Amino acid sequence: GQQVMQIPQYQHVQEGEDFTTYCNSSTTLSNIQWYKQRPGGHPVFLIQLVKSGEVKKQKRLTFQFGEAKKNSSLHITATQTTDVGTYFCAGGSNAGGTSYGKLTFGQGTILTVHP
Amino acid sequence: DTGVSQNPRHKITKRGQNVTFRCDPISEHNRLYWYRQTLGQGPEFLTYFQNEAQLEKSRLLSDRFSAERPKGSFSTLEIQRTEQGDSAMYLCASRSGGGTPGSRSYNEQFFGPGTRLTVL
Repeated sequence: GQQVMQIPQYQHVQEGEDFTTYCNSSTTLSNIQWYKQRPGGHPVFLIQLVKSGEVKKQKRLTFQFGEAKKNSSLHITATQTTDVGTYFCAGGSNAGGTSYGKLTFGQGTILTVHP
Repeated sequence: DTGVSQNPRHKITKRGQNVTFRCDPISEHNRLYWYRQTLGQGPEFLTYFQNEAQLEKSRLLSDRFSAERPKGSFSTLEIQRTEQGDSAMYLCASRSGGGTPGSRSYNEQFFGPGTRLTVL
């Protein structure tokens, strides 16, 4: 079945440093979504990418979807302590002609930011 | 608060007991998902409902697990004869399915706070 791998598992940065997490799928995706989960919380939707090579920005966050629609990245510029949490990518697939919106999540990258 | 509620928030049970969790999605959302999340892992898909129809079940969902959404509104997830390996956070998510395919509103899933199950 579809697998989504995410690296690194952990990232510790000083406040103000940049952060990047990478996501790679074993199969071509129809879309990729990114979620943030604060400690003790639940996943919260950040963004969705649909098009090959798509780049989207949200303030200090930049999201990319690879040309082959099998990989993605999230880059945070000048991290702040409010960025702390686990960042998950989640791939959507239309395999078999169905599109139920089922997501396959990566393992997540735990970001800690030292002030 | 996303508007998706789950009850109970915590459940401690003894091995072999049955447990049932409830999810109330955002009222206008006709699509509902159950996921399971263990420590240090991302959510794993369990099952999907469109209105009252259960359209997909993961192979992770053994015959001890059953989910229903009888009127297309709230959903329940029951685990029979619980095992210690069932200990996890059980997350429910809903989405509208409306809008243009590829748009945010079409695919964004709204997660509830989860039910944390501990099997002793």
